Amino acid sequence: AQSVSQHNHHVILSEAASLELGCNYSYGGTVNLFWYVQYPGQHLQLLLKYFSGDPLVKGIKGFEAEFIKSKFSFNLRKPSVQWSDTAEYFCAVNDYKLSFGAGTTVTVRA
Amino acid sequence: NAGVTQTPKFRVLKTGQSMTLLCAQDMNHEYMYWYRQDPGMGLRLIHYSVGEGTTAKGEVPDGYNVSRLKKQNFLLGLESAAPSQTSVYFCASSLTSGETAGELFFGEGSRLTVL
Repeated sequence: AQSVSQHNHHVILSEAASLELGCNYSYGGTVNLFWYVQYPGQHLQLLLKYFSGDPLVKGIKGFEAEFIKSKFSFNLRKPSVQWSDTAEYFCAVNDYKLSFGAGTTVTVRA
Repeated sequence: NAGVTQTPKFRVLKTGQSMTLLCAQDMNHEYMYWYRQDPGMGLRLIHYSVGEGTTAKGEVPDGYNVSRLKKQNFLLGLESAAPSQTSVYFCASSLTSGETAGELFFGEGSRLTVL
């Protein structure tokens, strides 16, 4: 079964700081990769996804992620965070079903 | 277009009681899923369905049963609730083909507390 590791449990940043969240997965075959975001009190929403093609994927709200096949990684980045980016972020990998990482809580201080 | 709707949103049960969570989607998705979300553990798949009349076990199926009698509905049942089942439950659905294939669309969650 697929396993997904997110490197950070809780990240605290100031506004305008850069953000990078790590994600590694275990499966070496063809996978689809996702980042979901859960704002406080809300359900999960898709941030971005990678199926094939350009390994640098751009998502909503200025987020991007880079797929590095040789490292089994799909790290999420944002150059300058805002207070409204405070949320929990989940990496997910889909081979025959979607497996989620444990999540990273991001707190952005104004 | 409501997307994925879960009922109820909140429920408190006593140990040993039974209940059913209902998930309904209006997007004609083939696949449906039930996840539970617990602090520090992310989302764990309980059961899933690849089509009407089919169900399959996920990572943590014990203590739960599911049914998918209609394509748009996916029911999650707890026959005898235990405190360990206190969690937030999310239903999701997805397509298997097309532009959004593999992308999950989530409901708003159901918070269940078992005393």
